[in-house]
Amino acid sequence: EPEVTQTPSHQVTQMGQEVILRCVPISNHLYFYWYRQILGQKVEFLVSFYNNEISEKSEIFDDQFSVERPDGSNFTLKIRSTKLEDSAMYFCASMGRVPFFGPGTRLTVL
Amino acid sequence: GENVEQHPSTLSVQEGDSAVIKCTYSDSASNYFPWYKQELGKRPQLIIDIRSNVGEKKDQRIAVTLNKTAKHFSLHITETQPEDSAVYFCAAMGSGAGSYQLTFGKGTKLSVIP
Repeated sequence: EPEVTQTPSHQVTQMGQEVILRCVPISNHLYFYWYRQILGQKVEFLVSFYNNEISEKSEIFDDQFSVERPDGSNFTLKIRSTKLEDSAMYFCASMGRVPFFGPGTRLTVL
Repeated sequence: GENVEQHPSTLSVQEGDSAVIKCTYSDSASNYFPWYKQELGKRPQLIIDIRSNVGEKKDQRIAVTLNKTAKHFSLHITETQPEDSAVYFCAAMGSGAGSYQLTFGKGTKLSVIP
């Protein structure tokens, strides 16, 4: 059964550094998403991507965040200048008929 | 935007008993309601979903009901087992104005006591 994959599984970075989180969505899916989950809290929507452009974004998704699909298969989330409060689990999801989530990247900002 | 409320936040049941988790949503344009199970440190795993043209759906020990008029939906787990222990999230998605984002509830931590 096809799955959404994400790399790395865990990323540790210093405050102010840039990070890129990578995702490979399920190949025939058209919608891609990034969600964030701070430890012990609910899953929060960041951004959706359709037809090679952002479809929707939340207020969390400010100018320090960007997404792109550089090569038609990978889907990336870049955080330009990380803050302590960016520490969270970041889930990629892709949707065909229903949304499926990747295993997540745990981002720790020190 | 959509707002999803979920209750209770924690739920303890004896093995073999039933568990019910309830959610309400605010946007009448929402038409897709999945439920996710999340074990510690893992991804949310889709366990059942329902669309707004259906009132009830069942898959073995799990069922979901939807009341569109009242804008609430519920997850029912029967004959609970220890492996059902996890955090369960409800979510709502609309297609109004091309919106396909999932809005999650805050989660219910279910503990099944052997």
